[in-house]
Amino acid sequence: GENVEQHPSTLSVQEGDSAVIKCTYSDSASNYFPWYKQELGKRPQLIIDIRSNVGEKKDQRIAVTLNKTAKHFSLHITETQPEDSAVYFCAASKNDMRFGAGTRLTVKP
Amino acid sequence: DAGVIQSPRHEVTEMGQEVTLRCKPISGHDYLFWYRQTMMRGLELLIYFNNNVPIDDSGMPEDRFSAKMPNASFSTLKIQPSEPRDSAVYFCASSSGTPPGNEQFFGPGTRLTVL
Repeated sequence: GENVEQHPSTLSVQEGDSAVIKCTYSDSASNYFPWYKQELGKRPQLIIDIRSNVGEKKDQRIAVTLNKTAKHFSLHITETQPEDSAVYFCAASKNDMRFGAGTRLTVKP
Repeated sequence: DAGVIQSPRHEVTEMGQEVTLRCKPISGHDYLFWYRQTMMRGLELLIYFNNNVPIDDSGMPEDRFSAKMPNASFSTLKIQPSEPRDSAVYFCASSSGTPPGNEQFFGPGTRLTVL
């Protein structure tokens, strides 16, 4: 089955800096890669996603890149703000969805 | 739409007791997923349904766990008997259309504590 690895497990940045989270997946048939944000005590919520026929997608301060050959994808957050502090999960999907272990991002004011 | 609804939000029970978690997906969604979240193991997919039919239950940890979806608007996850290691947050999520490429909407979760 699909195996998703996510790095780093924790990330601390200064407000205004950029944050990058990386994921790799094992099943080359996976073709949908969402990113979820989970605030403390809340449910995961989709922030951005990318499909396998696209290499990059951007939505304001958030961007995701996908390298299908290398089977890795990344989340980029620019101009980070304290409210970006949360746990971020990547996932890879073919029929079901497998999540990475999560990255706890802390943005220091 | 009220979104995915889960009940109860919190459950505290003693080891050996039966626990039933409930989920109402978003109306019109034909996929329903059950996840378990712990610090040690992260978000684990337990089982998912398509049009009320279980498609993949390979994530169900053992025979103590069972899930049903008797109709399009209701699903249950049952643990019998419960054990302390079952303590976790259980999320239900739903989506529409054929995966991949469709956002899963998560419910608020049920925090289960087994003493």
